Amino acid sequence: GQQVMQIPQYQHVQEGEDFTTYCNSSTTLSNIQWYKQRPGGHPVFLIQLVKSGEVKKQKRLTFQFGEAKKNSSLHITATQTTDVGTYFCAGRGDTGRRALTFGSGTRLQVQP
Amino acid sequence: NAGVTQTPKFRVLKTGQSMTLLCAQDMNHEYMYWYRQDPGMGLRLIHYSVGEGTTAKGEVPDGYNVSRLKKQNFLLGLESAAPSQTSVYFCASRDSSGNTIYFGEGSWLTVV
Repeated sequence: GQQVMQIPQYQHVQEGEDFTTYCNSSTTLSNIQWYKQRPGGHPVFLIQLVKSGEVKKQKRLTFQFGEAKKNSSLHITATQTTDVGTYFCAGRGDTGRRALTFGSGTRLQVQP
Repeated sequence: NAGVTQTPKFRVLKTGQSMTLLCAQDMNHEYMYWYRQDPGMGLRLIHYSVGEGTTAKGEVPDGYNVSRLKKQNFLLGLESAAPSQTSVYFCASRDSSGNTIYFGEGSWLTVV
């Protein structure tokens, strides 16, 4: 079945440093979504990427979808303490399956 | 705006007991999902539903049953709880044309 792998599992940065998490799928994806989960909270939708090579920005966050539509990345520029949480990618395969497969997440800790 | 509401939020069960988690959404969404979240494993899909009266198995369906008798409700049942089912359970929903998945706040279940 479809597998979505995410690295790193955990990253600790100083406030102001950049952060990147990577997501790789075992199969081609029709789209990929990114979610943020604060400690003790629930996942919250951030963005969806659909097109090959697509890049989208949300303030300090940059999301990228690979040309082969099998990988994606989330880059945060100049992290802030409000960025703390776990970031998940989630992919929907191109076989018509209606449910997402989530990566295992990257937990970000920001030291003030 | 209630969104997606899960009850109960916390529950402790003894091995072999049964229980039902209730998920209710007030957004008239077609699709509903039950995920479980375990440390380091992201969110894994248990069962999902694409409409009233329909259900389908996800990645980890064993030991769980679901029902979608009403469009707004999606019930997750544990017939005979096992310690391996100790987890955080998230319900989610989306409409048939939308991309965003909305999550409930989670239900913390401990089986002793």
